[in-house]
Amino acid sequence: DGGITQSPKYLFRKEGQNVTLSCEQNLNHDAMYWYRQDPGQGLRLIYYSQIVNDFQKGDIAEGYSVSREKKESFPLTVTSAQKNPTAFYLCASSIRAANEQFFGPGTRLTVL
Amino acid sequence: QKEVEQNSGPLSVPEGAIASLNCTYSDRGSQSFFWYRQYSGKSPELIMFIYSNGDKEDGRFTAQLNKASQYVSLLIRDSQPSDSATYLCAVNGGGGSQGNLIFGKGTKLSVKP
Repeated sequence: DGGITQSPKYLFRKEGQNVTLSCEQNLNHDAMYWYRQDPGQGLRLIYYSQIVNDFQKGDIAEGYSVSREKKESFPLTVTSAQKNPTAFYLCASSIRAANEQFFGPGTRLTVL
Repeated sequence: QKEVEQNSGPLSVPEGAIASLNCTYSDRGSQSFFWYRQYSGKSPELIMFIYSNGDKEDGRFTAQLNKASQYVSLLIRDSQPSDSATYLCAVNGGGGSQGNLIFGKGTKLSVKP
């Protein structure tokens, strides 16, 4: 059963904490992406990776970090430097850059 | 700044009618165009993509692309209440953006029984 999984579904963070969101895909896709969605807003690109061991900043990378040590995995860390992290976080993958992207179910992060 | 513009809606149509969703984009170098459907609280789901000028049909959905006018649309025939969702237009950034997609903010569609 191929697809993209994200965990956890809901995450609560205290002020000053770092948290890591998981994204795994078994579609054998080269490219993976992290987006943030705020109410009434479009998707904003945080980071993307077109190949293992390489990743690039998107439009709103400040306060976030990623790694791409395996083709299947692209975890996102929301650091304490991100001042307004409450949002819906979406991971996506595509067979290659510029191809259609497929999304995981998302993680809803709330800062307490 | 590359932009994708959509009317935020809500667009309300009666059941059985044709819903027409529109999108304009700023980057003439864009080559790939996508429509996603997003139900409230859920992640986006790909429903159509189009690369060439003209129409592309898939079941009740038709995507239309006019590169000269930098315009892409989605028609939903025989609209059903289950089509009520937010529809996101996405455009390949082209140029130096390495193929990243730029998303519009979405049009909320409401299909009334």
